[in-house]
Amino acid sequence: EAEVAQSPRYKITEKSQAVAFWCDPISGHATLYWYRQILGQGPELLVQFQDESVVDDSQLPKDRFSAERLKGVDSTLKIQPAELGDSAMYLCASSLKGATRHQETQYFGPGTRLLVL
Amino acid sequence: GQSLEQPSEVTAVEGAIVQINCTYQTSGFYGLSWYQQHDGGAPTFLSYNALDGLEETGRFSSFLSRSDSYGYLLLQELQMKDSASYFCAVRGGTGFQKLVFGTGTRLLVSP
Repeated sequence: EAEVAQSPRYKITEKSQAVAFWCDPISGHATLYWYRQILGQGPELLVQFQDESVVDDSQLPKDRFSAERLKGVDSTLKIQPAELGDSAMYLCASSLKGATRHQETQYFGPGTRLLVL
Repeated sequence: GQSLEQPSEVTAVEGAIVQINCTYQTSGFYGLSWYQQHDGGAPTFLSYNALDGLEETGRFSSFLSRSDSYGYLLLQELQMKDSASYFCAVRGGTGFQKLVFGTGTRLLVSP
């Protein structure tokens, strides 16, 4: 069964350093999402791509976070500089394009757990 | 904006039935989804309701009442492996309709 791939699985960094996370969605999935999940809370959408275009990044702290999906396939999320409050799980998800029930399903990757010291 | 409320924790025994409620507020409603997440794992999709009524998928069922801004997830014949966090998520809002997750309900199934 196809899966969303993410790397690295774990990342420890010091504050003020730069970090980058990579996501490869399920083949054929036009929509890609980056979420941040703080322990004990639900995932919070940071950015959503439709193919290579950003359709929503209203919750992305743009002074330090950036995301790209240059060829409409895999994606990279970057934080520079990292702050202590960025410690969280960063989840990538993908879904088919459209609005049907089937296309509503989001498939999540295993996530990258980030610890900022 | 959108907001959701669900109980923080529910406990039950193996073989029992448990219902996890979710109330939501949103300006413009598109659908309500449920996701399961085991500790340290990724969320996995369980169900989606866009219209009022009950949707059944094996041991899990999900219900929606749009007039009451309310839904629930019903888990039957509980098994130990059902111990996990369950999130309701609403797609709604004006303009861009993103998926907003609740804070989750931690279900503990005991023998």
